[in-house]
Amino acid sequence: EAGVAQSPRYKIIEKRQSVAFWCNPISGHATLYWYQQILGQGPKLLIQFQNNGVVDDSQLPKDRFSAERLKGVDSTLKIQPAKLEDSAVYLCASSSSWGGNEQFFGPGTRLTVL
Amino acid sequence: GESVGLHLPTLSVQEGDNSIINCAYSNSASDYFIWYKQESGKGPQFIIDIRSNMDKRQGQRVTVLLNKTVKHLSLQIAATQPGDSAVYFCAENRNPGGSYIPTFGRGTSLIVHP
Repeated sequence: EAGVAQSPRYKIIEKRQSVAFWCNPISGHATLYWYQQILGQGPKLLIQFQNNGVVDDSQLPKDRFSAERLKGVDSTLKIQPAKLEDSAVYLCASSSSWGGNEQFFGPGTRLTVL
Repeated sequence: GESVGLHLPTLSVQEGDNSIINCAYSNSASDYFIWYKQESGKGPQFIIDIRSNMDKRQGQRVTVLLNKTVKHLSLQIAATQPGDSAVYFCAENRNPGGSYIPTFGRGTSLIVHP
């Protein structure tokens, strides 16, 4: 079974620029998560989708971050404009049910904002 | 606010010893807990989970203990191997309205010396 795919793996941008990350979950997984992981910290949930609906986005900085999962499969996370403090690894994960089951994580996208 | 935290940021052990990684949680509404292992440059990987109606669960070389009275969770790794070296996270899962929402702790770095 193919795992969670993410691209790009690395991205370097200047502050105030825009950036987008892509995630393809495991086939058939209804729940998709985006996390931000700052160096030395645990992953922080940004947004959680169930199919193409949002379950939780309480920690998503909505003035600059946006995410969509239009067809209930792939998802994109966008930052516009980026700030220095957005430098982190952005992890995508998927799970097969409403929750209470294990999440499968992708390798992450390491973002550096200069 | 309520959070999940870890007692020790770094744990060093000798190969073959048993390791115990601790985690404290403060949200009494959390009813599902997961331990993840994260190796450098990779996304977290599921190790074992436990629900709040249990106080112990065993897997292959790992045991999770849950003490709801003091809101404490531990991961025990038997006969620790160099391949166990990684950062370990506990994650609590809340279910405020039909879907589990995860919150990760800060993590403990396990270093196994040969």
